[in-house]
Amino acid sequence: LAKTTQPISMDSYEGQEVNITCSHNNIATNDYITWYQQFPSQGPRFIIQGYKTKVTNEVASLFIPADRKSSTLSLPRVSLSDTAVYYCLVGLRNSGNTPLVFGKGTRLSVIA
Amino acid sequence: EAQVTQNPRYLITVTGKKLTVTCSQNMNHEYMSWYRQDPGLGLRQIYYSMNVEVTDKGDVPEGYKVSRKEKRNFPLILESPSPNQTSLYFCASSFYSLASGELFFGEGSRLTVL
Repeated sequence: LAKTTQPISMDSYEGQEVNITCSHNNIATNDYITWYQQFPSQGPRFIIQGYKTKVTNEVASLFIPADRKSSTLSLPRVSLSDTAVYYCLVGLRNSGNTPLVFGKGTRLSVIA
Repeated sequence: EAQVTQNPRYLITVTGKKLTVTCSQNMNHEYMSWYRQDPGLGLRQIYYSMNVEVTDKGDVPEGYKVSRKEKRNFPLILESPSPNQTSLYFCASSFYSLASGELFFGEGSRLTVL
């Protein structure tokens, strides 16, 4: 299983761009990288998924270098409502054969 | 509305009293799974199921059972709960065969075992 390492916490001011990096040195060839957001007492919510290079949606961008041993979630112009825990998840897309390992996540605090 | 529904949302019980946390999804998802979340430990997978009658252990299966008799339901069973099973539990589901790898989570069930 590809384990992930993320910073435990980050602080940012409103309006700034936030980049959260996830390390996954033993990522397998078929593994995808997925990020989830979780607010207190709620279930995690899907943000973005990618395999290589760059993926962008209306919420975030995901940057994956050529060696795929790390990835960076970029949140543009964060607001107070982006305060949450962000999880990096590495595994087979729709893997039913192996457990999905979430890790401990990064707690982002956005300050006014 | 597409959703994953867990019940009960909150439960206080005593050691050894069997309990079941139900999970139901209305999206026709093949894949379902259970997680527990504890402070400082993140989300840990308990069991998962690829489809009806197919289940497998996750990272922390000890003390839990599951069943998948119907596609939409995936109950989590604690035969003899102990205080170390006090936790916040989440059920999740996703399509197995389509392109999207998105997991849909329920709202959580907070369990306290005294």
